[in-house]
Amino acid sequence: ETGVTQSPTHLIKTRGQQVTLRCSSQSGHNTVSWYQQALGQGPQFIFQYYREEENGRGNFPPRFSGLQFPNYSSELNVNALELDDSALYLCASSLTVANTGELFFGEGSRLTVL
Amino acid sequence: DAKTTQPTSMDCAEGRAANLPCNHSTISGNEYVYWYRQIHSQGPQYIIHGLKNNETNEMASLIITEDRKSSTLILPHATLRDTAVYYCIVRVAKYGGSQGNLIFGKGTKLSVKP
Repeated sequence: ETGVTQSPTHLIKTRGQQVTLRCSSQSGHNTVSWYQQALGQGPQFIFQYYREEENGRGNFPPRFSGLQFPNYSSELNVNALELDDSALYLCASSLTVANTGELFFGEGSRLTVL
Repeated sequence: DAKTTQPTSMDCAEGRAANLPCNHSTISGNEYVYWYRQIHSQGPQYIIHGLKNNETNEMASLIITEDRKSSTLILPHATLRDTAVYYCIVRVAKYGGSQGNLIFGKGTKLSVKP
């Protein structure tokens, strides 16, 4: 158990719809990052939030957006869903002052786009 | 961040040591070697990391060659629960900023057999 919780665990959407995924970070962790994992692939970095601002982004289009709240929880929003957005979405939290860079991952939200 | 090369899959007998290799020939002097694993349908789990010295914790040992171009993760007594995909990642351990950006490859699928 990492203390990182994600919701919902599974959801089904149709193409063109919008989705919001939620993440509660481990207690005391002020940095949250999001990853997309397609079937059979390793996770791919989407973006990271620190002190409520995005401070790193991978190769994902602007329709992938996020928020971080004062309690460090976070949301991932995806607009205009496409079939290829079907994946496991992982949230990870970390302490920025920690020199290990260890990330604590949640169990993920599995999104299916039909 | 440097790229890594890992075998696609490996088998190991239960109770024996599992030795998972990783090549990172372009690693920079300030880049650490991290290992994560992902058990089926779960989020990745941090195992261990190191810079140039060998490291050991309750889960595993990490052996890094003197030239730092390759490393081996050792699970001393593999159990069935160690069946997972193991990811070797090299990156700079950062203070603040974008710690979240781990570049995952496809990893090594380790199957521990009775």
